[in-house]
Amino acid sequence: DQQVKQNSPSLSVQEGRISILNCDYTNSMFDYFLWYKKYPAEGPTFLISISSIKDKNEDGRFTVFLNKSAKHLSLHIVPSQPGDSAVYFCAASARNNAGNMLTFGGGTRLMVKP
Amino acid sequence: EPEVTQTPSHQVTQMGQEVILRCVPISNHLYFYWYRQILGQKVEFLVSFYNNEISEKSEIFDDQFSVERPDGSNFTLKIRSTKLEDSAMYFCASRRDRGAKNIQYFGAGTRLSVL
Repeated sequence: DQQVKQNSPSLSVQEGRISILNCDYTNSMFDYFLWYKKYPAEGPTFLISISSIKDKNEDGRFTVFLNKSAKHLSLHIVPSQPGDSAVYFCAASARNNAGNMLTFGGGTRLMVKP
Repeated sequence: EPEVTQTPSHQVTQMGQEVILRCVPISNHLYFYWYRQILGQKVEFLVSFYNNEISEKSEIFDDQFSVERPDGSNFTLKIRSTKLEDSAMYFCASRRDRGAKNIQYFGAGTRLSVL
């Protein structure tokens, strides 16, 4: 099942620079997208989300961009900080789905170097 | 800040034994979920639960699995007869309501090791 895909398993960025994490999806019924951050031995922590009626949502250092025609979303972190080092998961859901389950990508490990 | 709590953090069991994983969702939340993540693989949906019944389940959630909300605060996942391939991190999640924002909040997980 590859409905949500994160093609980069890892990303290394210098502190203070921009981190860009990418996510692609195939299911055109998805209408809500989320980014979660996960540290080892912890559960996924909600970071930011976006509805399919928008193309951008910003929260502090984090911005999510959605390109529906390309079925692509990205998470921008500016400026990146060492504490941002974690695994980032993209997830999607479809409102017509009874349980509103989340479908996750495989994750991207972000390493921010001081 | 309210959080989803899961116990135990690590459960070791013998193949064929029954296990119960426990979760206390955020108190005013109405929708509850179980997901799992096998080592090195994606987080996968197992089941969603609302109004005291299952609203959706995945192919993974076969007859060996069951969920229950016994007392209005706990939400449990039972695996009747564990198999080696059930070894995984199990995450409970909850969501407040059926609004447009499907934001699910996750617990820290239970690591299940089946020997």
